[in-house]
Amino acid sequence: LAKTTQPISMDSYEGQEVNITCSHNNIATNDYITWYQQFPSQGPRFIIQGYKTKVTNEVASLFIPADRKSSTLSLPRVSLSDTAVYYCLVEPGGYNKLIFGAGTRLAVHP
Amino acid sequence: DVKVTQSSRYLVKRTGEKVFLECVQDMDHENMFWYRQDPGLGLRLIYFSYDVKMKEKGDIPEGYSVSREKKERFSLILESASTNQTSMYLCASSPYLGQGGEQYFGPGTRLTVT
Repeated sequence: LAKTTQPISMDSYEGQEVNITCSHNNIATNDYITWYQQFPSQGPRFIIQGYKTKVTNEVASLFIPADRKSSTLSLPRVSLSDTAVYYCLVEPGGYNKLIFGAGTRLAVHP
Repeated sequence: DVKVTQSSRYLVKRTGEKVFLECVQDMDHENMFWYRQDPGLGLRLIYFSYDVKMKEKGDIPEGYSVSREKKERFSLILESASTNQTSMYLCASSPYLGQGGEQYFGPGTRLTVT
């Protein structure tokens, strides 16, 4: 089962681009990589998901190198409201256990 | 919008009590999940269910059981609550597994066992 490792915390300033990297050395062929965002006193919320190369939506981009042993969530031009915990999840292709990383606490400063 | 609701936001129980946490989703999703969340440990999967009456153990099933009698409802049961089960409990649902399906989370139940 693939486990994930991500930085415990990061700091940034409004308007900057933030990149959070997740390591998943044991990722399997069928696994997807998913990122969630969580605000205090709320459940996590889906941000983006990918299998390989690059995925972009209105909120973020996800970069996955060819070996898929890591992935990087990119948040363009962050604002104060992006202050949250970000979780990297490796999602197996079958009915297997789902694994969340410990999360990265992002603090965006004025 | 998908809605996942949990029966209580806050719950206080005594050691040894039987505790039921209820979760309901309104989008006809096949799969439902129970997680607990503790500081520094992130989310850990307790149980999940991929169909009515079907269940699979997650990473930390000890001390918990689940019930899924109807598709929209997934219950987490603490047979005899203990203080180390004080935690935030999160329920989620998803339309499918294995194809990169998004999970939709409820607001959570903060359980305190005294």
